[in-house]
Amino acid sequence: DAGVIQSPRHEVTEMGQEVTLRCKPISGHNSLFWYRQTMMRGLELLIYFNNNVPIDDSGMPEDRFSAKMPNASFSTLKIQPSEPRDSAVYFCASRTTGLYEQYFGPGTRLTVT
Amino acid sequence: GNSVTQMEGPVTLSEEAFLTINCTYTATGYPSLFWYVQYPGEGLQLLLKATKADDKGSNKGFEATYRKETTSFHLEKGSVQVSDSAVYFCASLSNTGNQFYFGTGTSLTVIP
Repeated sequence: DAGVIQSPRHEVTEMGQEVTLRCKPISGHNSLFWYRQTMMRGLELLIYFNNNVPIDDSGMPEDRFSAKMPNASFSTLKIQPSEPRDSAVYFCASRTTGLYEQYFGPGTRLTVT
Repeated sequence: GNSVTQMEGPVTLSEEAFLTINCTYTATGYPSLFWYVQYPGEGLQLLLKATKADDKGSNKGFEATYRKETTSFHLEKGSVQVSDSAVYFCASLSNTGNQFYFGTGTSLTVIP
């Protein structure tokens, strides 16, 4: 299995631009999670989906952030407009519902200048 | 509510030293407990887990025992190596939900 796939691995953009991060979960997993990691705040859960349905988006910082999961094999996290404080590493993770671990992707390092 | 508290770092040890990273949890019910490791530039990887009280998770020389009486899941290794340098995260998973609760992470550096 290829594991969780994220793209791009690195993104550098200017303030005000739209940024789209992509994730392909492990085949057969029915839950998907988006996290943000910074030195200041550590690892934060932004949103998670169960069977493609958003279950908890209370961690999404503000309306500039949105996430979609149109099907079981693809999810996006969009930031519009981006700001320098959005600079972080964004991780996607997937799992099978039950007492099973999450599998993390390699992350997307976002830099907003 | 559910939460995980782990020892703050950074931790610096000499090679072959004994390692302990403390982790305690609060939860309703009996959660499953995990230790994840993050090597530089990579995502988190599962290191070990325990799903019920008194279970011991172990992997790569690391161990952690699920202690219900102290609500703890401390990570230990008898002899660390330089290659163990990483950030370690304690996490809990409620047995009624789908959400993981991660600690803040503890950075470990092992020097030769």
